[in-house]
Amino acid sequence: DIQMTQSPSSLSASVGDRVTITCRASQGISNYLAWFQQKPGKAPKSLIYAASSLQSGVPSRFSGSGSGTDFTLTISSLQPEDFATYYCQHYNNFPLTFGGGTKVEIK
Amino acid sequence: EVQLLESGGNLVQPGGSLRLSCAASGFSFSTYAMSWVRQAPGKGLEWVSAISDSAGSTYYADSVKGRFTISRDNSKNTLYLQMNSLRAEDTAVYYCAKGGATSGRYYYGMDVWGQGTTVTVSS
Repeated sequence: DIQMTQSPSSLSASVGDRVTITCRASQGISNYLAWFQQKPGKAPKSLIYAASSLQSGVPSRFSGSGSGTDFTLTISSLQPEDFATYYCQHYNNFPLTFGGGTKVEIK
Repeated sequence: EVQLLESGGNLVQPGGSLRLSCAASGFSFSTYAMSWVRQAPGKGLEWVSAISDSAGSTYYADSVKGRFTISRDNSKNTLYLQMNSLRAEDTAVYYCAKGGATSGRYYYGMDVWGQGTTVTVSS
């Protein structure tokens, strides 16, 4: 099974900050990686697929990069509505697995 | 608008059974793979099971293999998860999710999620 490791597990940031979250796969997954945002008590929301493709309707301040084993989610200018938990997930093969999550909190 | 509405969650005793449903609307259900994902209280996301558009292929996490069965009725635009031999560690919010594309690697991705249904396994 492919293990997905996210870092950091949590971070504190201010509105307007640039935030970067990393995700590492235990083996190469090409670009078969997605990012999700989840707010408390809500369902996850898809942000990015194929490592860098933005889902329709997702603000352009979100971007993704990477290929192989190392991936990054960047929020260029953090907004109040971005405080949430973010998960990466690979869909290279089964079983599909998620990273442990990164909680973005207000500083 | 794409919508997924889960139902069937409940309190059940260890060893019991439950069937979850996910009613889909707003897209061509029969052309997309579907998945179930769960989230235990205070924990992260765990993929549970996936099914191809025609139901010809099904996949399971090791933690539920042999106990859970995924199925779909394309005439009713509905996805199911039959859960047997339930354990305390199956307690979670269960989400259904729509596949990301009708072909290619993103076929088993997840682009739209339902709001979830809660399963509690306890005596």
